[in-house]
Parts: sequence; C-alpha cells; structure tokens
Amino acid sequence: GENVEQHPSTLSVQEGDSAVIKCTYSDSASNYFPWYKQELGKRPQLIIDIRSNVGEKKDQRIAVTLNKTAKHFSLHITETQPEDSAVYFCAATSDGSSNTGKLIFGQGTTLQVKP
Amino acid sequence: DSGVTQTPKHLITATGQRVTLRCSPRSGDLSVYWYQQSLDQGLQFLIQYYNGEERAKGNILERFSAQQFPDLHSELNLSSLELGDSALYFCASSVSWGIGEKLFFGSGTQLSVL
Repeated sequence: GENVEQHPSTLSVQEGDSAVIKCTYSDSASNYFPWYKQELGKRPQLIIDIRSNVGEKKDQRIAVTLNKTAKHFSLHITETQPEDSAVYFCAATSDGSSNTGKLIFGQGTTLQVKP
Repeated sequence: DSGVTQTPKHLITATGQRVTLRCSPRSGDLSVYWYQQSLDQGLQFLIQYYNGEERAKGNILERFSAQQFPDLHSELNLSSLELGDSALYFCASSVSWGIGEKLFFGSGTQLSVL
C-alpha cells in the first residue's frame, strides 16, 4: 500500500521567512496530493492540493510543487506570519488500482513562526 | 465550518466499554471516511463508506466497526475499549468515492479511555 514520508517533523522560522515542507510517496499510481493545516485542537483543513498533471500550483503565499518522477512533493509558504503556526500534513491517494478516495497522510510537520 | 458534523465532541469511558461515534456528512456528499489521530501515529485511515456500502478498509481493528445509513450519516462503533484506543477520531466526507476527491473533515470526537 501507499506510504507517505514527511520531513521535517518540526520547523521553526522567523516571521517573514519562507518555510518548506517535503513529502515523498511510494505508490506511483497516486495522482492527487493535498495539504492540510491543523491548528491546535481543531480539524484538519484543506489549504491547497495538486493533481499529477500539474507540476506546480500557487495560491497567494502558498505553493505546492510535484515531481512525479522522483515521487516527491513540497509545500512552500512565503512571508510567513504567526498565524501560519500549525501542524501541516501532506497526503496522497492510495490503491490506484481500486480507485478509492482515501488519503494516506504523512506524519505531520509542526511549524512555528516566531514574531 | 466544514459542514461535517460529529457528535459527541468528547467522550470519557472505561476500559472494556463500548461507544458509538456519529458523523453527518456535508450536504450532497455520499462518501464518509473515518480517521484516528493519536499523538504518535498521525492521521490513520480506518474505513470509507460510499452511499451505504463499504468502499475501502484501512488498519481498522476487529473490535471496531462502522456503517453508513440510508440518510448517509455514519456511525463508528468501538468495543472492548483499551487504554490505547484513546485518540481523536475524525470523520471526513467527499462528494464521490474515487481518487482525487477533496475530503472535508469534521471537528472530531476526543475519546478518552480510563
């Protein structure tokens, strides 16, 4: 089955700096890669996603890049703000042959943005 | 607010007991997913239902079972509870069942087994 590795597990940056979180996946049939943000005690919220026919997608200060050959994708946050502090999860679809919507999540990255 | 409703928000019970967690998906969504979030395990996929039928199964224990009813709400039943079952249980929903569906999460049920 699919396996998603996420790095780093913790990341501390100064306000205004950029943050990059990287994920690798194992199932070459995966073709959908969302990122979720989870604030303390809250539900995971979808912040951006990318499909395999696209190499990069941007939404204001957030961007995601995908390298299907290397089977890795990354989240880039520019001009970080204290409210960006949260746990970020990457995910990938799984079981391409059975075509289900289930997502396999990485272990999460705790991002701390220092004012 | 994602539109996915989970009840109860908190549940405290004892080992050996049985509990039921409830989830109502967003209006129009036919798929429901259950995830378990422990401190050291991240978000673990348990099971997916689509329009009343089981669609995919993850690492769900035999002590756990789920179902989706005709009105599309879903229930996750946890029995013979152990201390290690303490976790945050999330329900998510999506419009359909296949790859590439956007999942929207509820606020979760915090289960504490004492």
